[in-house]
Amino acid sequence: QVQLQESGPGLVKPSGTLSLTCAVSGGSISSSNWWSWVRQPPGKGLEWIGEIYHSGSTNYNPSLKSRVTISVDKSKNQFSLKLSSVTAADTAVYYCARVGKYYYDSSGYQPGGCFDIWGQGTMVTVSS
Amino acid sequence: DIQMTQSPSTLSASVGDRVTITCRASQSISSWLAWYQQKPGKAPKLLIYKASSLESGVPSRFSGSGSGTEFTLTISSLQPDDFATYYCQQYNSYPFTFGPGTKVDIK
Repeated sequence: QVQLQESGPGLVKPSGTLSLTCAVSGGSISSSNWWSWVRQPPGKGLEWIGEIYHSGSTNYNPSLKSRVTISVDKSKNQFSLKLSSVTAADTAVYYCARVGKYYYDSSGYQPGGCFDIWGQGTMVTVSS
Repeated sequence: DIQMTQSPSTLSASVGDRVTITCRASQSISSWLAWYQQKPGKAPKLLIYKASSLESGVPSRFSGSGSGTEFTLTISSLQPDDFATYYCQQYNSYPFTFGPGTKVDIK
């Protein structure tokens, strides 16, 4: 049973860099799934940040692309998020999630795009 | 970006009620739509994917329908555990986007 666990500082100073890690257990990060980050500001909705494949390929939300880096460490079975130049607007619960429901068709591998396994989430506050 | 809307934003219902939530996309997303349930302080939980496929372990009282730009999530008989916020999400194209949520509370 795949489980995800986020870790990282709960407080980041404005203009600093938010850094989080998601540890994958019960399965391999080198499976055919992509791996994502999603955030949720307090009392608000969900926002997709980006995703990574074990090969290192990434896709980012254009609204955050200039500040986001997602990386993978296959040796540690984990992936990470860095968000630079943070402001109070980046205060949120950050979730890591597995992108599920991939499939194969006549064109080959199709990555899916819904999130079938989630971490518990970690609250990050941006404040001085 | 594809914009997702949901209606209603809040729904008051009683145990045993049939509940329907609507999600609309700003352009066609075929059937690439998922539904999630989120309870306070918890991560979202996948209920439905590809518009109408029930995720393993999810009770059969949950069902999804629709294609193109209009979708519905139906709970056939609301149970006490179902009071939560529900989100739709499109994965037809990047960036993946979510609806604003529908809160189902006790009438």
